Amino acid sequence: DAGVIQSPRHEVTEMGQEVTLRCKLISGHNSLFWYRQTMMRGLELLIYFNNNVPIDDSGMPEDRFSAKMPNASFSTLKIQPSEPRDSAVYFCASSGTSGRSSSYNEQFFGPGTRLTVL
Amino acid sequence: QKEVEQNSGPLSVPEGAIASLNCTYSDRGSQSFFWYRQYSGKSPELIMSIYSNGDKEDGRFTAQLNKASQYVSLLIRDSQPSDSATYLCAVNRRENYGQNFVFGPGTRLSVLP
Repeated sequence: DAGVIQSPRHEVTEMGQEVTLRCKLISGHNSLFWYRQTMMRGLELLIYFNNNVPIDDSGMPEDRFSAKMPNASFSTLKIQPSEPRDSAVYFCASSGTSGRSSSYNEQFFGPGTRLTVL
Repeated sequence: QKEVEQNSGPLSVPEGAIASLNCTYSDRGSQSFFWYRQYSGKSPELIMSIYSNGDKEDGRFTAQLNKASQYVSLLIRDSQPSDSATYLCAVNRRENYGQNFVFGPGTRLSVLP
């Protein structure tokens, strides 16, 4: 079965440009989480959705960041304008009681997008 | 005090030994606990979840939870070089609908052949 799918896998952009990261959930899952990982701050939860509804966006660093879930299986994380301090690996994770998950709480991570802002 | 704390390591153990990884958390309302393994350059991979006090075994892995002491640990028996990775402890502070995952900084484990 397909796991969480993220694109692109690598993104290099210049400061001030718009960046859009994409994520497709595991089939049957209904919660989606966006994380950011850096050496300094570790793995941080940015926002999570349940049944397409944003539940907690308290981790979103500032207004330059926005996330949407236009349908039950797909989400985007947008950074506009991007800054060098946004450079990190961005992970998407999904959870739900289907497939490999024995519990609603178990989260499964995608391969991540490595973002570099010059 | 950080919400989830782990020794950063590196923790070095010889092949075949037991590796013991520890995690403490600050929120007494935390309900569920998870261990993830992350190889360098890869995404976190779920290896164990535990919800009630006591031990939970899965193959060479045993998770231990003590809610009174706010402590969760992971034991890896018969450690192999392939177990060398960073192990992340995650704590979910709310059940089901309201999820609030907090990850620890991770412990880097090195299993020496």
